[in-house]
Amino acid sequence: SYELTQPPSASVSPGQTARITCSGDALPRKYVYWYHQKSGQAPVLVIYEDNKRPSGIPERFSGSSSGTMATLAISGAQVEDEGDYYCYSIDNSGSQSFVFGTGTKVTVL
Amino acid sequence: QLQLQESGPGVAKPSETLSLTCTVSGDSISSSHHHWGWIRQSPGKGLEWIGTIDYRGNTDYSPSLKSRVTISVDTSNNHFSLSLRSVTAADTAVYYCAKFFPDGQLVWAPHYWGQGTLATVPS
Repeated sequence: SYELTQPPSASVSPGQTARITCSGDALPRKYVYWYHQKSGQAPVLVIYEDNKRPSGIPERFSGSSSGTMATLAISGAQVEDEGDYYCYSIDNSGSQSFVFGTGTKVTVL
Repeated sequence: QLQLQESGPGVAKPSETLSLTCTVSGDSISSSHHHWGWIRQSPGKGLEWIGTIDYRGNTDYSPSLKSRVTISVDTSNNHFSLSLRSVTAADTAVYYCAKFFPDGQLVWAPHYWGQGTLATVPS
């Protein structure tokens, strides 16, 4: 089955830049979305359509996509940015179904 | 202000049907521009897309769950529902309902989420 692959973990010092990747064969043709999930909470959309920020999401969150890889960057990471991050896009099988990435746990310390 | 609230029994017996409802407030479920759907997360695991429905009742389901899942919509009461048949312990998860938006590439993505509800199937 189709999978969006993310690194399992990432660590960043406060104020530095964290980058999280998401790879999938369909990404050259389809938008990717990014979600942040804090412990015990519902996910929150932080990037949509590869690189757009929803209202209320800090400017330190940015997204890009090139070829089969998309990247979420957190510039000037803060402690409250800790948590799990998931990418999301369409399944590559041709059916109208969708998949989340495997998830990346980000630690800010 | 849009709010989505999941509700349903917290426990389902093995082989029975898990039924959950998502009540939408602050928005009309009859909008033709959006879909409504379900996502789940097993304890300690990642997110899994289950399926979506539009206001006319057109559905899309995860291929891995398609044989056991039904999503339905009740526009008169502004809610939609999930039925998952023949459940096992592997279906124990937090179930989220969400409002999905389209993009220009036919990706329907959840922009707004409910707080989630834990459904447990004892082994």
